[in-house]
This record gives sequence, C-alpha cells and structure tokens, in this order.
Amino acid sequence: AQSVSQHNHHVILSEAASLELGCNYSYGGTVNLFWYVQYPGQHLQLLLKYFSGDPLVKGIKGFEAEFIKSKFSFNLRKPSVQWSDTAEYFCAVTSRGGGNKLTFGTGTQLKVEL
Amino acid sequence: DTAVSQTPKYLVTQMGNDKSIKCEQNLGHDTMYWYKQDSKKFLKIMFSYNNKELIINETVPNRFSPKSPDKAHLNLHINSLELGDSAVYFCASSQGLSGTYEQYFGPGTRLTVT
Repeated sequence: AQSVSQHNHHVILSEAASLELGCNYSYGGTVNLFWYVQYPGQHLQLLLKYFSGDPLVKGIKGFEAEFIKSKFSFNLRKPSVQWSDTAEYFCAVTSRGGGNKLTFGTGTQLKVEL
Repeated sequence: DTAVSQTPKYLVTQMGNDKSIKCEQNLGHDTMYWYKQDSKKFLKIMFSYNNKELIINETVPNRFSPKSPDKAHLNLHINSLELGDSAVYFCASSQGLSGTYEQYFGPGTRLTVT
C-alpha cells in the first residue's frame, strides 16, 4: 500500500521568505504525484502534478516541485511567499492501476505573516 | 458555474439520525469520489464510482452507503450517525480511472453530530 508523509506540520514564514515543504512517499511501483492547496474555508485546488518527464514541474501561483526518485520525494517550493499563500498544503499520490485513488499526506499548515 | 457542487454545506444532526449528502458535477466526468477530512485535516478516500459502478470501497462502516443514479451524481447516505462521523466530506470527480487524471473537488459538507 502506498503512503505519504509530510514532515512539516506547521510552518510560519514572513512575506517574501522562501518556502520548501517536504513530501516523501512510500510505494514500490510507479506513482503520480500531486500537490493540492486548501485555502481557509475553501475546497482543495490542484497546485501542480507530476506524471513523467522533467522532474521539475511548475504549477500555478509561482509554485514548483521537484521529483527525486532516489529519495522518494516531491518537495514543494516557492521562492517568495505572499500573505495570500496562507493555507493548508497536501501532498498526494496515485499509483498505476490504483483506480485513481488519491492517498494524501497529513498536510502542512502554512501561515505567512506580513 | 460551479464544477462540483455539494448540498448541504453544513449539516448538524443528532446521534442515531440518518442523513444524506448530495454531489453533482457538470464537468462531464465519468468518475466520482467521496473523501472524509477529519478534525486534524487528514483526508482519506471512502468510495469511488466509475460510470455508476462502485470501484473503490475503503474500510468504511456499512452505515455509509453511496449511490450513483447517473454519472453526474454521487450521493452519500449515512445511517445511525455517530459522534465519530463528524467531519468534512468532500466529493470529487475526474475523467477516468487513470492515476494521471486530476480530481476536481467540491466545497465540502461539514457534518456535525451532537
């Protein structure tokens, strides 16, 4: 069975600081990787996804993530955060033949202070 | 135009009652899902349907019964509600079962059992 771990549960940054949120997955086969964001009181929205090809993927709102297969990692980055980035961030995976079942990490609460 | 909608948005009820949550998507997708988000924000899949056929049925109490009258609708009926059922329930949809298909989430239904 696949699993996802996010090591940072709560992150507090000042505006303009750089962000990196860790995500590691556990699965023996091929995975597809996602980062979702949940703004306060809102539904989940897809930030970016990786299926194959260039391991550095760019998403919306200036976010990017790098897939490092040898480390089973898919860390999310943003060079300069804004107050509006305050949200919960979820890393998730699906596996080939898994029926598109999303397995989520426990989430990282990001708070950006002015 | 809302892509994935859920009703109601909030549901407060007493233990032992039976309640339903409805989900509709207008994206033309053929696969729909129910996820449960607990008080710690952890998201876990409950069910998925593809073309009205049950695909994923995680270890969910049989008090929970999904019903898909057509591809655009997936309802969740819960019998004999318990305190532990209090959570936010998210509906999602995707075009197909491949793990590469993005899932689009609804706004969630916050269920409170007293």
